[in-house]
Amino acid sequence: GQNIDQPTEMTATEGAIVQINCTYQTSGFNGLFWYQQHAGEAPTFLSYNVLDGLEEKGRFSSFLSRSKGYSYLLLKELQMKDSASYLCAVLDSNYQLIWGAGTKLIIKP
Amino acid sequence: DADVTQTPRNRITKTGKRIMLECSQTKGHDRMYWYRQDPGLGLRLIYYSFDVKDINKGEISDGYSVSRQAQAKFSLSLESAIPNQTALYFCATSALWQDNNEQFFGPGTRLTVL
Repeated sequence: GQNIDQPTEMTATEGAIVQINCTYQTSGFNGLFWYQQHAGEAPTFLSYNVLDGLEEKGRFSSFLSRSKGYSYLLLKELQMKDSASYLCAVLDSNYQLIWGAGTKLIIKP
Repeated sequence: DADVTQTPRNRITKTGKRIMLECSQTKGHDRMYWYRQDPGLGLRLIYYSFDVKDINKGEISDGYSVSRQAQAKFSLSLESAIPNQTALYFCATSALWQDNNEQFFGPGTRLTVL
């Protein structure tokens, strides 16, 4: 079966750095996405990795290792508005997105 | 103006009623999707459509049906609603020509079945 694992909840301090991990086992691989979702709102796109390595976009970076079935999202200089759920999703061989349950990130002052 | 809209935004209904959720998009995308989201679970795909004449079942299609009336419109129906269909429903779109296959989401419809 297909499976995406990420921690249920993480807590971090404003101004700090946090890394959210994601491991996956899917039927094929056509890319990995990270989305941000504030409570009760729609998911919004953060990043897309299809090749191994680190993609940096402002305060957010995403890393992929296809051989290990592993990705992480790195958030720097945390702000209170970063409190949200972070969803990891893999595009499988049928070009369907398989979603993790999401990691709820709590930022404390 | 929002690129992907959903109506209604909230709906409370009773068991056995027929419900239709509507999705419209102005992005010109060819691909549209319906997901449901339940607390503690990831988004689960109900149906998807890669163009007007293409409809495909997703992971959890039982109890649901869809209609792709035009490239810009994709409706989800619950023929006879049941309480375990209470969830947050999202419509999403993407485009074949996008390199990264990013999906764009509507604001969601919160459905409660009593």
